Amino acid sequence: EAGVAQSPRYKIIEKRQSVAFWCNPISGHATLYWYQQILGQGPKLLIQFQNNGVVDDSQLPKDRFSAERLKGVDSTLKIQPAKLEDSAVYLCASSLGQGNQPQHFGDGTRLSIL
Amino acid sequence: SQQGEEDPQALSIQEGENATMNCSYKTSINNLQWYRQNSGRGLVHLILIRSNEREKHSGRLRVTLDTSKKSSSLLITASRAADTASYFCVRTDKLIFGTGTRLQVFP
Repeated sequence: EAGVAQSPRYKIIEKRQSVAFWCNPISGHATLYWYQQILGQGPKLLIQFQNNGVVDDSQLPKDRFSAERLKGVDSTLKIQPAKLEDSAVYLCASSLGQGNQPQHFGDGTRLSIL
Repeated sequence: SQQGEEDPQALSIQEGENATMNCSYKTSINNLQWYRQNSGRGLVHLILIRSNEREKHSGRLRVTLDTSKKSSSLLITASRAADTASYFCVRTDKLIFGTGTRLQVFP
């Protein structure tokens, strides 16, 4: 089966600019996750979707981050405006369902803020 | 903090040796998953251990769970250079990842 697709692979922007990331999950996976992984740390959950509804966005900085899941399939994560501390890898994952289901990760988008 | 803490932070061994890494939480844990992350790549699911299980095996992997000590361990036997990666534990109820153990296996 095809894996989780993410684009772009790399992105370099200046602070205060906007950026968007795209994720295409594995076909049939109802649950989709966005994580932020700062260098040397474990992934931090930003938002979790079940189909096109939000399950958990408690750690999403809503003043600058937004995410949507179109028709319960693809998803986009946006940052506007970006800050220096947003430099990280943004990982998308999907799973058949919530709870104990294994998550399948994309290779992420590496974001550098200048 | 509910974040898991992994120990050691880094581990270097020779091929053929065993590697053991530990994960602990400050709050009670139920089900736990372990993931591997190769440099520059996404995470790959290794194994799930449920709260009613004490030990689980998958190939060269052995995972234990001690809910009373709020900790889990991952043992990789007969390590290979291809096992070089970072390893993370995660609580499945709160999706809180640990800080990770960076494993380097030298040929």
